[in-house]
Amino acid sequence: DTGVSQNPRHKITKRGQNVTFRCDPISEHNRLYWYRQTLGQGPEFLTYFQNEAQLEKSRLLSDRFSAERPKGSFSTLEIQRTEQGDSAMYLCASSNRLAGGHGAQYFGPGTRLLVL
Amino acid sequence: GESVGLHLPTLSVQEGDNSIINCAYSNSASDYFIWYKQESGKGPQFIIDIRSNMDKRQGQRVTVLLNKTVKHLSLQIAATQPGDSAVYFCAESFQGGSEKLVFGKGTKLTVNP
Repeated sequence: DTGVSQNPRHKITKRGQNVTFRCDPISEHNRLYWYRQTLGQGPEFLTYFQNEAQLEKSRLLSDRFSAERPKGSFSTLEIQRTEQGDSAMYLCASSNRLAGGHGAQYFGPGTRLLVL
Repeated sequence: GESVGLHLPTLSVQEGDNSIINCAYSNSASDYFIWYKQESGKGPQFIIDIRSNMDKRQGQRVTVLLNKTVKHLSLQIAATQPGDSAVYFCAESFQGGSEKLVFGKGTKLTVNP
């Protein structure tokens, strides 16, 4: 168990550019979540996958955001036409939902995005 | 709507003392709660969780207490160490659907040597 990994750890881009982040969850975790965290705030839910299916998206996830988990393992989060307001830490978490109950979500180190 | 809040934004304690971090939640449907520790520049680190059918759960040096009557959650850290200095978040969710976590703003714990 190597934990959740995310790449890149840092990304600086110019407004209007597209960026893509990758998340590798804990192996065999069937659920994968994306959150966004701004300075001084707690993480906010963006979207979640159960296996390869994207089952819920937050209203925070504008049309410029898209997430995929094609094989039910790693996931990518793409932001098109970035805006300065997209600057934040993007966190990925995974869990293995237990039968009849919750599975704890374990977070990766995050990708810090700065849009200039 | 759903909300999770913390009573104190900062807490400063002496090394060796016990720490108590409090959290209030407003969604009575929430049935699962987690405490996370987040150090600067890192992702949240799982500390301990508790389900709504429990009032108390203990881990190594940590205890979580849940009072559903007043919708209150607390994290107790025994013999606080400098390495415990971080921001602590409580988060809530409810079973069914995505079980997404709703976080509060966090409490910054500073442990003085």
